[in-house]
Amino acid sequence: ETGVTQTPRHLVMGMTNKKSLKCEQHLGHNAMYWYKQSAKKPLELMFVYNFKEQTENNSVPSRFSPECPNSSHLFLHLHTLQPEDSALYLCASSLSLAGALPDTQYFGPGTRLTVL
Amino acid sequence: AQSVSQHNHHVILSEAASLELGCNYSYGGTVNLFWYVQYPGQHLQLLLKYFSGDPLVKGIKGFEAEFIKSKFSFNLRKPSVQWSDTAEYFCAVLSAGGGADGLTFGKGTHLIIQP
Repeated sequence: ETGVTQTPRHLVMGMTNKKSLKCEQHLGHNAMYWYKQSAKKPLELMFVYNFKEQTENNSVPSRFSPECPNSSHLFLHLHTLQPEDSALYLCASSLSLAGALPDTQYFGPGTRLTVL
Repeated sequence: AQSVSQHNHHVILSEAASLELGCNYSYGGTVNLFWYVQYPGQHLQLLLKYFSGDPLVKGIKGFEAEFIKSKFSFNLRKPSVQWSDTAEYFCAVLSAGGGADGLTFGKGTHLIIQP
């Protein structure tokens, strides 16, 4: 399955580092999402981009900064993270049709982030 | 705000046993419902979904789920499980409205099938 790819797959960073996560979708979709998967917690939505515009920020701290240069690419820029930010970060995409039609989201493999 | 409850966090079954994983959601409006599966070392994959129509939906690998609106439930079932069904199963809800919107997930059920 190569529909949604994420790099890197694993990342270890210190609290003062700046790093970026990358997501790319090859499905011709228009919407992209970032989710956080922490141990013993449900997957949490972080950001939604629809046609390159951010449409949802789920009260995410400013140390996480998303960027969506086009409908195929999504980045998550990280700076001054805390150890509790260690988690699996998942990217997803969906077609996002105009009108009242529901979407199916397709997920990437995730980036396993460890903050020391 | 909507929420999703998966009652069984860990389930252990023997091969050929029948499976039912519970999922309840809280949301007053029209919803779209999903079950995703995450096999060990793999990414989340769609198992099945309900948007409208027949409340009994069939998915991949012999799984099915039934939407019962009066009970706010979307339980996942399989009549006879296999060792390869060992995985984490997630129920998710999307409020109907179209376009791009985030999913609300349950905490997941870790299913272990013993040979």
